[in-house]
Amino acid sequence: EDQVTQSPEALRLQEGESSSLNCSYTVSGLRGLFWYRQDPGKGPEFLFTLYSAGEEKEKERLKATLTKKESFLHITAPKPEDSATYLCAVQGYGGATNKLIFGTGTLLAVQP
Amino acid sequence: GAVVSQHPSWVICKSGTSVKIECRSLDFQATTMFWYRQFPKQSLMLMATSNEGSKATYEQGVEKDKFLINHASLTLSTLTVTSAHPEDSSFYICSASKGLAGGETQYFGPGTRLLVL
Repeated sequence: EDQVTQSPEALRLQEGESSSLNCSYTVSGLRGLFWYRQDPGKGPEFLFTLYSAGEEKEKERLKATLTKKESFLHITAPKPEDSATYLCAVQGYGGATNKLIFGTGTLLAVQP
Repeated sequence: GAVVSQHPSWVICKSGTSVKIECRSLDFQATTMFWYRQFPKQSLMLMATSNEGSKATYEQGVEKDKFLINHASLTLSTLTVTSAHPEDSSFYICSASKGLAGGETQYFGPGTRLLVL
């Protein structure tokens, strides 16, 4: 069964303090790994899609990396506006096409 | 690109009534649309997957007669909660993807908060 585990559950950073969020996954063949950002009371906002081990993608202060077992979302010099819940999801070959399996998210709080 | 809208953004209804939620892809054609439900401080739970012009595929435990899904066009899907009860109160979010192939990114709408009194 496909599974996604995110850690930590919550993370508090000072503005400018870089850190990483982890997403460990078990999937029968990876079609894609997705990172989303979700603000309270809103739908998830797409950040990145990664397809194969070794792949990296960047957007502003965020960088996502992928290995065969996990993905990291690196946040460099975060700002308060980066505070949100970050969701990781995988799509595997074993399940229905295009079905996403979500982790429970990491709640990030960046203090000024 | 890849903007998805939902309407209404929030709705309050009486127990026993039906509520319809619309999901639209504004700048792309969505071959597949998905409906999720999210409880406070929990992750998204997939309810059903729908492809344009065909019947929706419901996840285990989701009542298809209670949550009616219609994907009438490549830009519109609707979720109707029939005979709503207080336990149906939740945050409903739709998403859409451009293709049928595996690995397609899902783009999410802003969500609809439903409160059943």
